[in-house]
Amino acid sequence: AQSVTQLDSQVPVFEEAPVELRCNYSSSVSVYLFWYVQYPNQGLQLLLKYLSGSTLVESINGFEAEFNKSQTSFHLRKPSVHISDTAEYFCAVRKTGANNLFFGTGTRLTVIP
Amino acid sequence: EPEVTQTPSHQVTQMGQEVILRCVPISNHLYFYWYRQILGQKVEFLVSFYNNEISEKSEIFDDQFSVERPDGSNFTLKIRSTKLEDSAMYFCASSDDRATNEKLFFGSGTQLSVL
Repeated sequence: AQSVTQLDSQVPVFEEAPVELRCNYSSSVSVYLFWYVQYPNQGLQLLLKYLSGSTLVESINGFEAEFNKSQTSFHLRKPSVHISDTAEYFCAVRKTGANNLFFGTGTRLTVIP
Repeated sequence: EPEVTQTPSHQVTQMGQEVILRCVPISNHLYFYWYRQILGQKVEFLVSFYNNEISEKSEIFDDQFSVERPDGSNFTLKIRSTKLEDSAMYFCASSDDRATNEKLFFGSGTQLSVL
């Protein structure tokens, strides 16, 4: 079975500071990895994904995540956060060929002015 | 961008009552899902639905749960006899491609409170 661990439930960070949201997964088979973001009063939105190829993936709003197979991690980073990045971030994993996602418990990122 | 809509945003019910959570997936999508998140816990997969039948379900999705696509636009989750532990945020999602399933579109959720 697959599982996802997000150790940090809340991460406060000052505006324009860098941030890293940690995600570790466990799986005995090949997986795809995802980060979803949930802004207040909205649904989950796909932020970025790793399916294959380059282990570093980027989103359009400056976030990036690196798939590290040896450490079974897929940490999310941004070099300089904005107030608008305040949201809940969920890491998720899906077994290749399967239908459903396994989510972590989420990390609430709060950007402080 | 098209979106998945869920109604109601909040639902309060008494234990033992039936509830129906409603979702309108994106119009050209073919694959539909329900997830839920109990406060402070992980978002959990409940069920996936394709071609008018359940394609996969989790252990959570027992006989008390059912899903239906009664018409061409709605996708509903019914809980027949609610329990306190059913209190959670329920998310509906849809996608147009099962093979990659890269992009699930999620609704904003229905917060179910069972008293």
